[in-house]
Amino acid sequence: KAGVTQTPRYLIKTRGQQVTLSCSPISGHRSVSWYQQTPGQGLQFLFEYFSETQRNKGNFPGRFSGRQFSNSRSEMNVSTLELGDSALYLCASRRNTRPRNTDTQYFGPGTRLTVL
Amino acid sequence: ELKVEQNPLFLSMQEGKNYTIYCNYSTTSDRLYWYRQDPGKSLESLFVLLSNGAVKQEGRLMASLDTKARLSTLHITAAVHDLSATYFCAVDERSAGGSYIPTFGRGTSLIVHP
Repeated sequence: KAGVTQTPRYLIKTRGQQVTLSCSPISGHRSVSWYQQTPGQGLQFLFEYFSETQRNKGNFPGRFSGRQFSNSRSEMNVSTLELGDSALYLCASRRNTRPRNTDTQYFGPGTRLTVL
Repeated sequence: ELKVEQNPLFLSMQEGKNYTIYCNYSTTSDRLYWYRQDPGKSLESLFVLLSNGAVKQEGRLMASLDTKARLSTLHITAAVHDLSATYFCAVDERSAGGSYIPTFGRGTSLIVHP
């Protein structure tokens, strides 16, 4: 069965622009989470979507937003890009059938965003 | 604010040796995860630990959780080169709204050499 896919894999933008990243979860998985990974801050949780609703949100400014569609595919958007937004953005999906949302997460390959 | 500390951050091991990676966290939680990341790759889920005393094993890796000590360990037995990777622990903190927010450790970069 196909894994989590993310597009694009690499992206170069300039400061002030906005960007949209896409994530297609494993078929049947209803929860999608997004993470940012940088050398300085490490791995940080952005948000989680389930059934088209944002269920959890990390400590990021409002420039970071996301949404989930009825087919569980998710997008995240970053507006007014800053140099510090350069990072690997990972999404992960989970089936969400176990209680307390503790199913195994499956990660996509990530989108490498560079802001110049 | 939940803080998650891993140590060591760097670990160079010889094949065949045993070692333990430690993950300490600062507030009460009973949900802890271990992940593996190969260089230039994404994350792979290794273990989910959900209760005090939980122990899980997969091949040469064994993870345990002590919620009273706020400590999880990832034990490596008879290391092999294929285990070279960065290992992260993550702890869920329950927010005021009732949802769970994961906080990651900085990661332990493991190199296994002959």
